Amino acid sequence: QVQLQESGPGLVKPSQTLSLTCTVSGGSISSGGYYWSWIRQHPGKGLEWIGYIYYSGGTYYNASLKSRVTISVDTSKNHFSLKLSSVTAADTAVYYCARDRGLRAAFEFWGQGTLVTVSS
Amino acid sequence: QSALTQPRSVSGSPGQSVTISCTGTSSDVGGYNFVSWYQQYPDKAPKLMIYDVTKRPSGVPDRFSGSKSGNTASLTISGLQAEDEADYYCCSYAGSYTSVFGGGTKLTVL
Repeated sequence: QVQLQESGPGLVKPSQTLSLTCTVSGGSISSGGYYWSWIRQHPGKGLEWIGYIYYSGGTYYNASLKSRVTISVDTSKNHFSLKLSSVTAADTAVYYCARDRGLRAAFEFWGQGTLVTVSS
Repeated sequence: QSALTQPRSVSGSPGQSVTISCTGTSSDVGGYNFVSWYQQYPDKAPKLMIYDVTKRPSGVPDRFSGSKSGNTASLTISGLQAEDEADYYCCSYAGSYTSVFGGGTKLTVL
């Protein structure tokens, strides 16, 4: 059973960069056919897809966040990461990592989520 | 890339059936057979309930079913149970390696 676990600071100051890592266990991130994703949920709101990465490094982002988002992968550590720059209070959210079973918007495995608050 | 449109809330009594709609465009829901549905309890991660419009992952009760007509997808829950009370989200592949979620629907079991 694949498991995902987010980690990173729970508090980030405005204008700084939010950095999170998703560690994958129970399976290799290098297994072909799966797309690894970041998704966020503002407090009391709906889900927002942030972006995908493939194990080979190909990245694809939500157009509304593209200018500030970088997703990277480290296959040797079996994890992938999210960086969101120039954050504001509007970036306060629970951030989830998830696995899509083949670029089909079918997120079958999720991390438990981590709350990131942007505040000075 | 606008969010898919879902009703904010639906309700039903135990044993009844409820249907949640998810409306998009020909660029997402209508353009691909890659629509999924998620169940989310408070402070929990979403759980995949339906993918590829109609398929159920192993372990999901067959009371949950999905369908699609044109630009609108639907999730139907039959034989409603108290434990089905949760938030439900649809999601669709939207082309160019992107996905988009719906705004979510709160299901209340009366």
